[in-house]
Amino acid sequence: DIQMTQSPSSLSASVGDTVTITCRASQSISNYLNWYQQKPGKAPKLLIYAASSLQSGVPSRFSGSGSGTDFTLTISSLQPEDFVIYYCQQSNSTPFTFGQGTKLEIK
Amino acid sequence: EVQLVESGGGLVQPGGSLRLSCAASGFTFSTYWMSWVRQAPGKGLEWVANIKEDGSAKAYVDSVKGRFTISRDNAKNSLYLQMNSLRAEDTAVYYCARLGGSSRSYTYWGQGTLVPVSS
Repeated sequence: DIQMTQSPSSLSASVGDTVTITCRASQSISNYLNWYQQKPGKAPKLLIYAASSLQSGVPSRFSGSGSGTDFTLTISSLQPEDFVIYYCQQSNSTPFTFGQGTKLEIK
Repeated sequence: EVQLVESGGGLVQPGGSLRLSCAASGFTFSTYWMSWVRQAPGKGLEWVANIKEDGSAKAYVDSVKGRFTISRDNAKNSLYLQMNSLRAEDTAVYYCARLGGSSRSYTYWGQGTLVPVSS
C-alpha cells in the first residue's frame, strides 16, 4: 500500500499569511494527488485534483504543485474560513490512502 | 444537482452486522465508480472500498477485507456497504463518495452516517 505522509500535522498562521502544506508518497503516484478541506462536522470538500488543477468554485488563493512523490498545497492570503483541516489523498492505486491531515490554526 | 444520501447507521454491538445504503441522484449513477470513506471520531479520513460502474470490480482496505462487502444496484441508483463482524475500531462516520473520471478524485460526498460499535 502507498503511505502518504503529510506535514505539518498542525500549523499556526495569521489572516493574510501564506502557508504551505506538504504531502509525500511512499512511492511514485504520478500526479494522482488530491487535496481536500474539511470543516467541523462536514464532509470533505475537494480543493485540488490531479496535483495542480483547481476544482471549480474553489478560490484561486488555493494552489497545488508536485508530481511523483512530493506535493504541496499552498494557501495564500489566508481568510478566516480557511482555518480548518486539510488532507491529501493519492488515487494512483487502491487503497486510495489519505494523509493524516493538517490542522490550520489561527495564531 | 448531485446528491448522495447515506442511511442505515446506528449503534451495533461488537460482532454484529449492519448494512449502509447510499441513495444517489442528479447524475447517471451507472457511469461512475463509487466509494465508501470513513472517519473515526476525532481522527482522519480512511478510504474503505470502491466499486466499478457495473459492479464487476471491487477493492477494499486491508482492515475490512473479508468482513465488509461493497455492492450497488444501478436500477435503484444505490450503493451499499454490508458490514459484518464489526469491531470497536470500525466506529466511524461513513461517507459515500462519487469517484471522478480521469482525475480519480471525490467531488461529491454524502453527509455521512454514524456507526458506533459498542456493547
